[in-house]
Amino acid sequence: DVKVTQSSRYLVKRTGEKVFLECVQDMDHENMFWYRQDPGLGLRLIYFSYDVKMKEKGDIPEGYSVSREKKERFSLILESASTNQTSMYLCATQFSGAAETQYFGPGTRLLVL
Amino acid sequence: GQQLNQSPQSMFIQEGEDVSMNCTSSSIFNTWLWYKQDPGEGPVLLIALYKAGELTSNGRLTAQFGITRKDSFLNISASIPSDVGIYFCAGPPEDTGNQFYFGTGTSLTVIP
Repeated sequence: DVKVTQSSRYLVKRTGEKVFLECVQDMDHENMFWYRQDPGLGLRLIYFSYDVKMKEKGDIPEGYSVSREKKERFSLILESASTNQTSMYLCATQFSGAAETQYFGPGTRLLVL
Repeated sequence: GQQLNQSPQSMFIQEGEDVSMNCTSSSIFNTWLWYKQDPGEGPVLLIALYKAGELTSNGRLTAQFGITRKDSFLNISASIPSDVGIYFCAGPPEDTGNQFYFGTGTSLTVIP
């Protein structure tokens, strides 16, 4: 079974803080993704990566950056958290190939005060 | 990414009833996936479909890949309280490389 873990289930941060969200997978998948999920807006792609040290912007990359130093780990960074970044953040992994299933982590619910 | 049109948005049903939901797009898909998301959790894959016309079951769940390749359907038979959650369709349209599109979700409430 694919296992995707996220470093925190719940986080509370203050405006302006730097926030790290980490995702780790144990299935040797090449592709990893970060989404945010908001009521009424569904899942929106922030960044994705197809290989180590590789990253691509998704639909809403503003205010975020990512890091992929090892194949199994994909980090999402909020350089200076803002209240409009309060959301549910979901990491997903995928074996190489667009037709392959994406597997999701349990999510991190972030509240920025 | 672009959202798929998923309907209905929400459903309130009695335990034991059957449920149907669908997903449509203007784009052609080569793969259709159906996920379920419990409150506060990440989406979990229910069924994957890889061929137009394909009909696949997983217990009380049955999903179909539409013949036009632009739609998919999910049915749940004899619903039970643990079916509560949000159901998403998803997949990569043929003309968008690796990017997945997600449906807006169908929220299901089962009344015991």
